[in-house]
Amino acid sequence: GAGVSQSPSNKVTEKGKDVELRCDPISGHTALYWYRQSLGQGLEFLIYFQGNSAPDKSGLPSDRFSAERTGGSVSTLTIQRTQQEDSAVYLCASSYSGPGSEAFFGQGTRLTVV
Amino acid sequence: ILNVEQSPQSLHVQEGDSTNFTCSFPSSNFYALHWYRWETAKSPEALFVMTLNGDEKKKGRISATLNTKEGYSYLYIKGSQPEDSATYLCAFLNDYKLSFGAGTTVTVRA
Repeated sequence: GAGVSQSPSNKVTEKGKDVELRCDPISGHTALYWYRQSLGQGLEFLIYFQGNSAPDKSGLPSDRFSAERTGGSVSTLTIQRTQQEDSAVYLCASSYSGPGSEAFFGQGTRLTVV
Repeated sequence: ILNVEQSPQSLHVQEGDSTNFTCSFPSSNFYALHWYRWETAKSPEALFVMTLNGDEKKKGRISATLNTKEGYSYLYIKGSQPEDSATYLCAFLNDYKLSFGAGTTVTVRA
């Protein structure tokens, strides 16, 4: 596709269930970022991938959160045993590597934990 | 943790007036400074990517300046229009990590 694609666009889940969020970056973009925006907050960094490697996982809020990227392309963010505080919009962005490259964002996944 | 701070958090401007707001970031290990516009119900979209001290970039009525030595950038909106209403995010690229500020929300009143 022409842009960054995220699925699902909306997800309502029960507390304690696992969820998987998907991001399809722009073809050829080696850098991939996950952010989340909780209600009334700014963009919170979660994790960064360069290719399939994640040099910085420091933003993951807890060990219930994990992410992987395969083939230098699609990435999945998994949240286990979801809690109400996980409710947020999860945004994925991708870019070429290099300081002059802008990031392109997907439309986000709105996660609601009830 | 890289502190990227934006001020003010929000502002209201009358249609036709000009405005500006700031982004401050660490002055060490600088790679790039990005500005994004985030409209309601949309994804953030890049306005500018600046890499050199003294950079000035312009897109229509919106422009930005960069001072990497003192760690700040200004975004200017000239002759504000209702369609300029959005949250403007700056992001600091350090090595590989793009860290965002909390944004300045601009509301243009007709």
